[in-house]
Amino acid sequence: AQTVTQSQPEMSVQEAETVTLSCTYDTSESDYYLFWYKQPPSRQMILVIRQEAYKQQNATENRFSVNFQKAAKSFSLKISDSQLGDAAMYFCAYRFNFGNEKLTFGTGTRLTIIP
Amino acid sequence: DAEITQSPRHKITETGRQVTLACHQTWNHNNMFWYRQDLGHGLRLIHYSYGVQDTNKGEVSDGYSVSRSNTEDLPLTLESAASSQTSVYFCASSDGRKGINYNEQFFGPGTRLTVL
Repeated sequence: AQTVTQSQPEMSVQEAETVTLSCTYDTSESDYYLFWYKQPPSRQMILVIRQEAYKQQNATENRFSVNFQKAAKSFSLKISDSQLGDAAMYFCAYRFNFGNEKLTFGTGTRLTIIP
Repeated sequence: DAEITQSPRHKITETGRQVTLACHQTWNHNNMFWYRQDLGHGLRLIHYSYGVQDTNKGEVSDGYSVSRSNTEDLPLTLESAASSQTSVYFCASSDGRKGINYNEQFFGPGTRLTVL
C-alpha cells in the first residue's frame, strides 16, 4: 500500500520569506501523480500544484514550486515571497495513474505566516 | 458555474442514530469520493464510486455505506452513529476521462459531524 509522510506538523515563516514543506512517499509504482493541497481556515481543499512522475521537470505555479526527487521518493513544496494568505494546512497527496483515482494523503503541515 | 455541494454543513447527532450526509455535484463527473479528516490522520478514503451503480470500499469503510443511483449524487450513510465517527467529512469528484483536468479531484466544503 502507498503511504505519504509529512514529518513537519507545523512550520512558520516570516512574511516575504521562502519556506519549504517536506513530503516523502512510498510506492512500488513508476507512473503516478503527486499533489499539494492547501486547506485554509474555511476548510475548503484547494489544489496548489501537481506533478506527474514521468515528467522530470519540476512543476511551478507562480510562487509555488516543487522539488521532485523520484529516486528518493521526495516531493517538497517551496513557497516563495510568503504572504499572509498562504497561512493554511498543506497536504501532500499521491495517486496512482492508471484507472485508479484514489488519493492517499499525508497528515498535513500547518503553516503560519509571521507578519 | 459547476460546483460540488455538501449538506448539512454541521450536524450533531446521538450515538446509535442513522445519519445521511448529502453530496451533489453539477460537474457531470463520473467519479465521486468520500473522505474523513481527523487530526493527525489527514484525509482518509471512506468509499468511492466510478459511475452509477458502482461503489467501492476505501480504507476506513466500516460503519459507512454509499449508493450511487445517478451521476450527480453520492450520499454517505452512517447506519448507527458512533462517537468515533465524529469528524469532518469531505466529498470530492473527478472527471475520469483524459483531459486537462483528468487527474484533479474537486472537493466540497465539508460537513462537520459530531456524535454525542
